[in-house]
Amino acid sequence: AQSVTQLDSHVSVSEGTPVLLRCNYSSSYSPSLFWYVQHPNKGLQLLLKYTSAATLVKGINGFEAEFKKSETSFHLTKPSAHMSDAAEYFCALVGFQKLVFGTGTRLLVSP
Amino acid sequence: DTAVSQTPKYLVTQMGNDKSIKCEQNLGHDTMYWYKQDSKKFLKIMFSYNNKELIINETVPNRFSPKSPDKAHLNLHINSLELGDSAVYFCASSQKQGATPLHFGNGTRLTVT
Repeated sequence: AQSVTQLDSHVSVSEGTPVLLRCNYSSSYSPSLFWYVQHPNKGLQLLLKYTSAATLVKGINGFEAEFKKSETSFHLTKPSAHMSDAAEYFCALVGFQKLVFGTGTRLLVSP
Repeated sequence: DTAVSQTPKYLVTQMGNDKSIKCEQNLGHDTMYWYKQDSKKFLKIMFSYNNKELIINETVPNRFSPKSPDKAHLNLHINSLELGDSAVYFCASSQKQGATPLHFGNGTRLTVT
């Protein structure tokens, strides 16, 4: 069965420092992977997607993610955090006719 | 604006009542979904419809009944509400069945007292 695991429920960074949000996946075939962001009281917004093209995927707001098949990982990074990045982040994988989400990582950004 | 819109945004009701949540998308997508997000932020699919036809029904109690009058609308009716139904319900759409990405509405926060 397809699944994703987000290893950290919370990540705290200072403004201006790098962000790393971890996601590992399990899939019996070549996966399509996504990162979504959810700001408070909002729906989920697509940050970026991997669909078997380039392994380094660039998304919106300076985020990027690297697909590593050998590590079954799709970690999300950003070189410099901004206060507006504080939100919940979800890694997701395409399952059979549906998206399967991880449990989310809350990113806290302090001044 | 092109979007997925849900109403109401907040819904507070008592146990045993029946309530509905409406969803509309004007993106021209064929497929629509209902997801439930629990208090721990876990997102789980409930239903998906493709062109008004039910595709996915993920072991959701019979008290939940989706209705799709046309491919731009997917409403969710809940009978005999229970405390455990309290959650945020998200509607989403995608261009085709099995296609991604999903476009999400802003959610309906249901509180059952």
